[in-house]
Formats: sequence, C-alpha cells, structure tokens
Amino acid sequence: LAKTTQPISMDSYEGQEVNITCSHNNIATNDYITWYQQFPSQGPRFIIQGYKTKVTNEVASLFIPADRKSSTLSLPRVSLSDTAVYYCLVGGQGYIPTFGRGTSLIVHP
Amino acid sequence: EAQVTQNPRYLITVTGKKLTVTCSQNMNHEYMSWYRQDPGLGLRQIYYSMNVEVTDKGDVPEGYKVSRKEKRNFPLILESPSPNQTSLYFCASRLGGEQYFGPGTRLTVT
Repeated sequence: LAKTTQPISMDSYEGQEVNITCSHNNIATNDYITWYQQFPSQGPRFIIQGYKTKVTNEVASLFIPADRKSSTLSLPRVSLSDTAVYYCLVGGQGYIPTFGRGTSLIVHP
Repeated sequence: EAQVTQNPRYLITVTGKKLTVTCSQNMNHEYMSWYRQDPGLGLRQIYYSMNVEVTDKGDVPEGYKVSRKEKRNFPLILESPSPNQTSLYFCASRLGGEQYFGPGTRLTVT
C-alpha cells in the first residue's frame, strides 16, 4: 500500500485558490488517487479521484504529473465553508483505505 | 436515497456493559468498514469486510468484534467497553474507490 505524505495544516483566505499536494513516491501501477473532505463531527466525503493527468468536477480539480509520485488537489476560490480536513488516499481496486491525519485547511475571512 | 445509517448517534455507557452499534447501507455494496476517530490521531480502521461472512482486522481491532451475516448490515460490538474506547465511530461502505460514510456515533464510556 502506497504511503502518502501531505501537509498537516494550511491557511488561506476567502476567494483564493488552494492547492494541497500529496506525495506518494511508491505508488503502484494500478493505484488510483482519491481525495476526501471531512467537516468536524461528520464522516469524510468523497471529493475526486484520478489516475493520471487532470480530473475536474464541480468541486475541485486533481492534477497528477506523468510520474504519478505526487498529486495536487486544487480548490478554486475557497469560501469559509471549505474549512475542513482533506485526506489523500492511494490504492488499487480492492485496496484497504488508510486515512492518516490529513491536511487541516482553515479559510479566513 | 443512498445512505449509510448508524445507530445510536450518541451513547453514554459504563465500563463493562456490552453494547452494539448498528450500521446499515442500502447501496448493495460488498465492502464495509468501521473507523474510530480521536483528536490528533485521524481516522483509524477497526475492522473491515469484503463481503458477507468475510471480516478482517484493521489497524486497531482490540476490544471490538464485528459480524457480517448479510450484505447490508455490519454491526460493531464492544463486549466489555473501557474508557479508552471513548471515541467517534464511523461506519462506511464502498463501491470502487468511493467510500460512503455514516453520520457517526459518539460513544462515551465512563
């Protein structure tokens, strides 16, 4: 199972773009990269998943370079409601998810 | 509505009194799991189940039991709860890479 490393915390301001990078140097060929968002006292919520290049949905974009050893979750124009913990997970189809501590994002007015 | 439900949402109990937290999903997912979340420790997996009658230990299984007699239900059993099991518990089910989490159960053991 690929180990992931992401910053413990980040600060931003409303309206800014936030990029959270996750390192996964030993990612396997069949591994996908998945990001979750968690608000206090709630279960994590799936944000986005990708395998390579760029994936975009209504919430975020996920950028994955050609070597796939890292990935960047991009949140455009954050608001106060984006304050949450963001988790990066890496694994194949039947992987056992390990969430770790995630990145605590605080958005300031 | 597709969802994972847990009951109870809040529970205060005493040391040694057996309890069960129920978890049910209506999405016909094969994979289900239980996590506990404690301040500064993130989400830690307790047990998981790849399918009916198949369960495996996660990272912190001590003091817990589970069963998977049918696909939709995955109860978490604490035979003899202790104060160090005071935590926020989440049940989840998964389809492919996307996990769906329940609303959580906040357990306090005194």
